[in-house]
Amino acid sequence: DAKTTQPTSMDCAEGRAANLPCNHSTISGNEYVYWYRQIHSQGPQYIIHGLKNNETNEMASLIITEDRKSSTLILPHATLRDTAVYYCIVRVGGLIIQGAQKLVFGQGTRLTINP
Amino acid sequence: SQTIHQWPATLVQPVGSPLSLECTVEGTSNPNLYWYRQAAGRGLQLLFYSVGIGQISSEVPQNLSASRPQDRQFILSSKKLLLSDSGFYLCAWSVLGQPQHFGDGTRLSIL
Repeated sequence: DAKTTQPTSMDCAEGRAANLPCNHSTISGNEYVYWYRQIHSQGPQYIIHGLKNNETNEMASLIITEDRKSSTLILPHATLRDTAVYYCIVRVGGLIIQGAQKLVFGQGTRLTINP
Repeated sequence: SQTIHQWPATLVQPVGSPLSLECTVEGTSNPNLYWYRQAAGRGLQLLFYSVGIGQISSEVPQNLSASRPQDRQFILSSKKLLLSDSGFYLCAWSVLGQPQHFGDGTRLSIL
């Protein structure tokens, strides 16, 4: 199973772009990169996912390197409400059974947005 | 749109008491359902998942069990709670090829 490595914590100023890195050097060709975040005392919130192309939605952008060994989640204009733990997850493709998707959560990156 | 409900939001139970946590999903049919637990200061651990009514897969041996009596209902149970069962319990759902979405969780404290 592909594993991910993320910095334990990061700080970012409000209004600036927050760039959260993730290494997944053992990712397989059919595995996607997912990003979730968990605000204190809430359930994880899906942010974005991608396979090989860069992706953008209303919450964030996902940049995946050409060799797919790393990715960066970008929050373009961080606000105080973006303070959370951010999880980078590689979907364990070999364990998909009838569509059930086992997500393996690591420790994530604790992002603090400072005013 | 799809929604997921978990209750109760918080629960305090004595050691040795039974447990029943309920999760329901609205706005979708035949979802895959999941129970996760997050111990204090730790990451999420998948406990059970279900791909259909009556179909339960367990990820880790433990003091808990799960059931799916209806298509959009997932229940987490225990006959006798242990101190180590304390944690934040999260239910999630997904449909084929789509990301998982989580409920707001139940914070369980065992005294």
